[in-house]
Amino acid sequence: SAVISQKPSRDICQRGTSLTIQCQVDSQVTMMFWYRQQPGQSLTLIATANQGSEATYESGFVIDKFPISRPNLTFSTLTVSNMSPEDSSIYLCSVEGWNTEAFFGQGTRLTVV
Amino acid sequence: SQQGEEDPQALSIQEGENATMNCSYKTSINNLQWYRQNSGRGLVHLILIRSNEREKHSGRLRVTLDTSKKSSSLLITASRAADTASYFCATASNTGGFKTIFGAGTRLFVKA
Repeated sequence: SAVISQKPSRDICQRGTSLTIQCQVDSQVTMMFWYRQQPGQSLTLIATANQGSEATYESGFVIDKFPISRPNLTFSTLTVSNMSPEDSSIYLCSVEGWNTEAFFGQGTRLTVV
Repeated sequence: SQQGEEDPQALSIQEGENATMNCSYKTSINNLQWYRQNSGRGLVHLILIRSNEREKHSGRLRVTLDTSKKSSSLLITASRAADTASYFCATASNTGGFKTIFGAGTRLFVKA
């Protein structure tokens, strides 16, 4: 199992600004994942954050909008850049192993006004 | 992109009835997981079934997996009002890099 600390838990931001979300894991993991859950929707994978290499983004997500850092095996950040109200969502980081369940952070509830 | 498609999108049943939710996916998988999410709350992991397994049970939950049809089902027996939640299937695969993709979910409402 893994314990994931994610912060901030929530924030209200002005449009046009950026927010960096931090994710700390209590053990070393190879891969970390960032998801977005828009209101009333399922989770959508934004990108896979691998230590030592650039993040791999899913279709519809780009590095300029969602830059990701992965400086070591226990930590990652996701930045939501140049925010608009459409970015209002819950953002979650997760870790998972081969054939194990995914473990999630508590989520960051972002509201852009 | 979402790999898992679930049906029905919404399901309303009486307490005591069984609820069945289905999930279909597109690529080969390592495993398939089912999660529950109560409104405004976090995800709760229910069951993981590996690609070489066909059926798993956990309490009132029964999950089946048919890799030839690329589909899975979640059965909740003797449902309770507390089972009211959204249920998501999630497929873990190594296609294009290891990742887990969530389906759109089924909203279950159990009437007392």
